[in-house]
Amino acid sequence: GDSVTQMEGPVTLSEEAFLTINCTYTATGYPSLFWYVQYPGEGLQLLLKATKADDKGSNKGFEATYRKETTSFHLEKGSVQVSDSAVYFCALRPSGNTGNQFYFGTGTSLTVIP
Amino acid sequence: DAGVTQSPTHLIKTRGQHVTLRCSPISGHKSVSWYQQVLGQGPQFIFQYYEKEERGRGNFPDRFSARQFPNYSSELNVNALLLGDSALYLCASSHGQGARAEPQHFGDGTRLSIL
Repeated sequence: GDSVTQMEGPVTLSEEAFLTINCTYTATGYPSLFWYVQYPGEGLQLLLKATKADDKGSNKGFEATYRKETTSFHLEKGSVQVSDSAVYFCALRPSGNTGNQFYFGTGTSLTVIP
Repeated sequence: DAGVTQSPTHLIKTRGQHVTLRCSPISGHKSVSWYQQVLGQGPQFIFQYYEKEERGRGNFPDRFSARQFPNYSSELNVNALLLGDSALYLCASSHGQGARAEPQHFGDGTRLSIL
């Protein structure tokens, strides 16, 4: 079945360091891929998305490229800030008429220290 | 514009009780989905409703039920509560049934604790 696998955390980085959070998926066809961020005590906020192979989603300095050949959607940021400390979730929506059932990874906690 | 609103924000119940959680979607959104997020895990899909009809159901027991009202708000009901039902319950809304590029917009959730 459809699933998402994220690198386990927690991840601790110094401010201005480079960030990569790995995400791979299992799905038939061409799912849509998303990254969400969750700050303490809050719900999930959409960070970026990509809907077809080789698409690059980007927002607030974060980027992720939909790689069909490696079934991956790794999240990257060139220079993290303390305010980026949060939990990041990779998610997919299966292809086809499957409505709004999203599959989420287990989340990767990021802490950025000054 | 108001985002997805959920109530209550926190709830404490005991085993065997029943609970009702409420969600108001973003204005103009017709689809509401419910997710359960256990501490340290990603959200797990419970239900989706679109135009007041159930359009999807995750792998949850029949103790879980939901409905959507004419104004597109929704309730999630859980009967015979178990300790394992302790979680953050998230509501998400979107405009349509589930187009490829359309994301879901999440509320801040209801934290349910079962004693």
